[in-house]
Amino acid sequence: DQQVKQNSPSLSVQEGRISILNCDYTNSMFDYFLWYKKYPAEGPTFLISISSIKDKNEDGRFTVFLNKSAKHLSLHIVPSQPGDSAVYFCAASDLGTYKYIFGTGTRLKVLA
Amino acid sequence: SAVISQKPSRDICQRGTSLTIQCQVDSQVTMMFWYRQQPGQSLTLIATANQGSEATYESGFVIDKFPISRPNLTFSTLTVSNMSPEDSSIYLCSVRGNYNSPLHFGNGTRLTVT
Repeated sequence: DQQVKQNSPSLSVQEGRISILNCDYTNSMFDYFLWYKKYPAEGPTFLISISSIKDKNEDGRFTVFLNKSAKHLSLHIVPSQPGDSAVYFCAASDLGTYKYIFGTGTRLKVLA
Repeated sequence: SAVISQKPSRDICQRGTSLTIQCQVDSQVTMMFWYRQQPGQSLTLIATANQGSEATYESGFVIDKFPISRPNLTFSTLTVSNMSPEDSSIYLCSVRGNYNSPLHFGNGTRLTVT
């Protein structure tokens, strides 16, 4: 049972345009969500997070949106840069647990 | 955030042998975890490494196959025992602070079992 799903395995975007990565979850108890970026031969790097009391969190070029009623979150990267090319994972947890559940990842390719 | 050093970074091992992966953190951390990423798959939690006591394993993972040590708050090891090709994965050490704080990962160990 995949509680966190990233239905797009890959995405290609032109440099300078917006990249939108999507993530859906099924567990209504999840209340903390994160996005990670992973380059080959490196561990995942934390990008941005959002708690369920918010619907938007912004950090520079990265914005995460949370739609609790739809159980959906998205990561917007604008403007996209070639260095953003990586695999992006979303993750979720619920208050009181230390476990994070990860999605299967979306490979983003930003074309110069 | 903590600096996490993991070694080896990669290894190729024969089936039936064992490999021990080390994880060193540059500061004391309460919570330390071991994850696995099989090819094309998500990150799956293997176990929580508990300082001074037995690790807490997730469903599908057992101590005999993945023994874990954590002698102090900065160091842990994961052993992959009696390896088979199905154990070929990236193994990742991670740490976190309080609840609802991000996990931080080491660079992982890419294991290939032939």
